[in-house]
This record gives sequence, structure tokens and C-alpha cells, in this order.
Amino acid sequence: GAVVSQHPSWVICKSGTSVKIECRSLDFQATTMFWYRQFPKQSLMLMATSNEGSKATYEQGVEKDKFLINHASLTLSTLTVTSAHPEDSSFYICSATLAGGPSYNEQFFGPGTRLTVL
Amino acid sequence: QKEVEQNSGPLSVPEGAIASLNCTYSDRVSQSFFWYRQYSGKSPELIMSIYSNGDKEDGRFTAQLNKASQYVSLLIRDSQPSDSATYLCAVKAQAGTALIFGKGTTLSVSS
Repeated sequence: GAVVSQHPSWVICKSGTSVKIECRSLDFQATTMFWYRQFPKQSLMLMATSNEGSKATYEQGVEKDKFLINHASLTLSTLTVTSAHPEDSSFYICSATLAGGPSYNEQFFGPGTRLTVL
Repeated sequence: QKEVEQNSGPLSVPEGAIASLNCTYSDRVSQSFFWYRQYSGKSPELIMSIYSNGDKEDGRFTAQLNKASQYVSLLIRDSQPSDSATYLCAVKAQAGTALIFGKGTTLSVSS
């Protein structure tokens, strides 16, 4: 149980285009989803916290107009990178927490999405 | 600024040895502590979680927590080449909040 999927697993796009990444909790309801970004040989950096039905909370330095997050249901959150540029190329990973229960403290990670902007 | 510090390594140990990974954190109100393993190009996978002071053992892995010293460690006994990966220490202030990660320690186990 507690499986999180991401789609696509990798994407290559041209500079200036927008890319949407989906994060789904497959067998549980997630009250909260988190979006992380990881550059090569660096750790995961939290971008934003997303709660179902409300606006995402962005970390300092993350542009909310560039990284649009929508959490419309308890099983789906999307991250849209708008007007992508080469410096946005990174590994984007989502994670989700269970809506209550003994595993509420755990975060379950998706497999990640590799974005390359040409 | 909440920080989680780890020695980036690489930490090199021979097969069968004990690997010791260390982590310190700055936020005293942190309540939950996790060790993740990450292979290159993959997302992190949970190895251990620990919430109270002392040791917690799970197979070849032992997590140690000392909240007074704001220190958490991971011991890997009988290290195997398949243990070669980056190990991420993560800390959480309270349930429902995000994990804050350290930069990770790269472990290399030679056969």
C-alpha cells in the first residue's frame, strides 16, 4: 500500500514552454502533498506544501507564478512549470502523507520526474 | 532556518564492515527523524524512522537518536556492495509537515 505515482517519468521540452507534472496517490487519500526539486549531486529541496482544496504554501525563493501547484482532490496534485528555462532542468519529486491513521507521520515518495529544458 | 547537516563523504568501507553515518539538526522542536537511501536517478526510499531517544534496530540497520545533542546516526552492519548509495537524513517538526533533508552522505562499499 501507500503507492505514489508521477507522470511523466521524464520530459524534454523547449525553452519557453510549460510542462505539467502529475502526482497521484494510488491506494490512499493524501491530505497533504509536497513537491521537492533535486539538482545533480544535491539534496532534495522543498518547493511547496499542497493541501487539498487550498492554495499551496511555497518555500522562500520559489516563484509561485512560475511553479503552479493545484491539489484538486485527495489523490491528485499537479505541478506546472510555466515558461520553462534550462535552469529549471531538474529532478522533481512529489510525496504524500496519509489522511490520518498510524502512518500519518510518514511521507511516501513518487518515483520522480526528470525535466530537461533545451 | 531549519538545517540538517551531514558529512557528504564519500564514506568508503570494505564489504562486511560497519558503516556509520551521522547527522545533526538545528531545530530543537523536531520530533521525527528518518533515514532514506537514494540510488542515482531514483527517488528516496525509507530505511528507518526513529522518534525517541536511544537505539532502534531493523535487520542490519540501527538508528540512534540523541535529542539533547540534536544528533541522529545510522549504523549499517555487514555492509554489502548493494548498500552503496547516498543516505539522506531527514527531520520533521510534527506530523503533517514536510521533511527537511540533509545533503546526504555517499557510501561506497567495496567487495
